[in-house]
Amino acid sequence: EPEVTQTPSHQVTQMGQEVILRCVPISNHLYFYWYRQILGQKVEFLVSFYNNEISEKSEIFDDQFSVERPDGSNFTLKIRSTKLEDSAMYFCASSQPWTVGETQYFGPGTRLLVL
Amino acid sequence: AQKITQTQPGMFVQEKEAVTLDCTYDTSDPSYGLFWYKQPSSGEMIFLIYQGSYDQQNATEGRYSLNFQKARKSANLVISASQLGDSAMYFCAMREGRDQGAQKLVFGQGTRLTINP
Repeated sequence: EPEVTQTPSHQVTQMGQEVILRCVPISNHLYFYWYRQILGQKVEFLVSFYNNEISEKSEIFDDQFSVERPDGSNFTLKIRSTKLEDSAMYFCASSQPWTVGETQYFGPGTRLLVL
Repeated sequence: AQKITQTQPGMFVQEKEAVTLDCTYDTSDPSYGLFWYKQPSSGEMIFLIYQGSYDQQNATEGRYSLNFQKARKSANLVISASQLGDSAMYFCAMREGRDQGAQKLVFGQGTRLTINP
């Protein structure tokens, strides 16, 4: 069964460093998303992406964040200058248009720790 | 603004019993979708079940069913014959809008379900 994959599974970085989180969505999906979950809290929406542009972004998704689909399979989230409060689990998700519910399927997540 | 409320931070159930996890929502959009996800201790988010606002019947997927009461704005998840592997965090989520477009999910705070042998 097709699934969303994410790399790396864990990343430790120093405050102020840039990180790139990578995702490979399900191959026939056209809508892509990033969410984050701070430890013990609910899942929060960051950004949605369709047709090579951002569809919607949350207040969390400030100028430090960017997304890109560099080729036909990868979808990346870049944090330019990490802060301590960026420590969280980051989930990529994808969905297929014109399907019932357009259910979003999530990857296993990248656990980011900023020191 | 969207809002999802899960009022049960934790639930403890005996194996083989049925369990109901509560979810209420608030939206002014007549078209919306409701989802339940399971998050085991390993951290991934697993889709369980979907209910559309215009669906006349409650959704069912194997041991999972959704008790959808539109007038009360509730979408409770029912797990029948619970198993030890059902122990996890469960999130209710809502997506507003028509069934097209890259539309975000808004999640509740989650309910931690523990199944006792």
